[in-house]
Amino acid sequence: EAGVAQSPRYKIIEKRQSVAFWCNPISGHATLYWYQQILGQGPKLLIQFQNNGVVDDSQLPKDRFSAERLKGVDSTLKIQPAKLEDSAVYLCASSSEGLEQFFGPGTRLTVL
Amino acid sequence: GEDVEQSLFLSVREGDSSVINCTYTDSSSTYLYWYKQEPGAGLQLLTYIFSNMDMKQDQRLTVLLNKKDKHLSLRIADTQTGDSAIYFCAGGGSARQLTFGSGTQLTVLP
Repeated sequence: EAGVAQSPRYKIIEKRQSVAFWCNPISGHATLYWYQQILGQGPKLLIQFQNNGVVDDSQLPKDRFSAERLKGVDSTLKIQPAKLEDSAVYLCASSSEGLEQFFGPGTRLTVL
Repeated sequence: GEDVEQSLFLSVREGDSSVINCTYTDSSSTYLYWYKQEPGAGLQLLTYIFSNMDMKQDQRLTVLLNKKDKHLSLRIADTQTGDSAIYFCAGGGSARQLTFGSGTQLTVLP
């Protein structure tokens, strides 16, 4: 079974630029999560999708972050414009009916 | 919301047991999890425990839950160098959303 795929793996941008991350969940997984992991901290949930609907985006900074999951499969997370404090690893995870969330390798974003 | 705390570092000798501790604030967490993160990789689920259980054993891993003190621990028996990683505890509720601690860096010395 293929795991959660994310791209790119690394991205370096300057502040005020835009960036987008892509996630392909495990086939058949209805629930998709985006987490932000700042260095030295645990992952923090940004947004949760159930199929193509948003379950919870209460911790998503909506003035600069947006996410979509068209067709209920792949998802993109966008930051526009980026700030220095957005430097982090962005993790995508997916789950089916069970308790386990399966995580992708993450995208490491550096904002200069 | 949930607040989860862990000690930051733990060093053990190869072959010894490791005990990683975690405290949480939200007693309504239905499930409590332990995840492992190796450098440059995503998180891997190690084990989880329902909140109505006191203990769960899975091969070298033993999870203890003290609901009264809101304390969770992970014991790794016969710790190996391959166990060196960051270990996260996390609480989850009905929506399957996870709140993670800040992680414990386990270093296994030869």
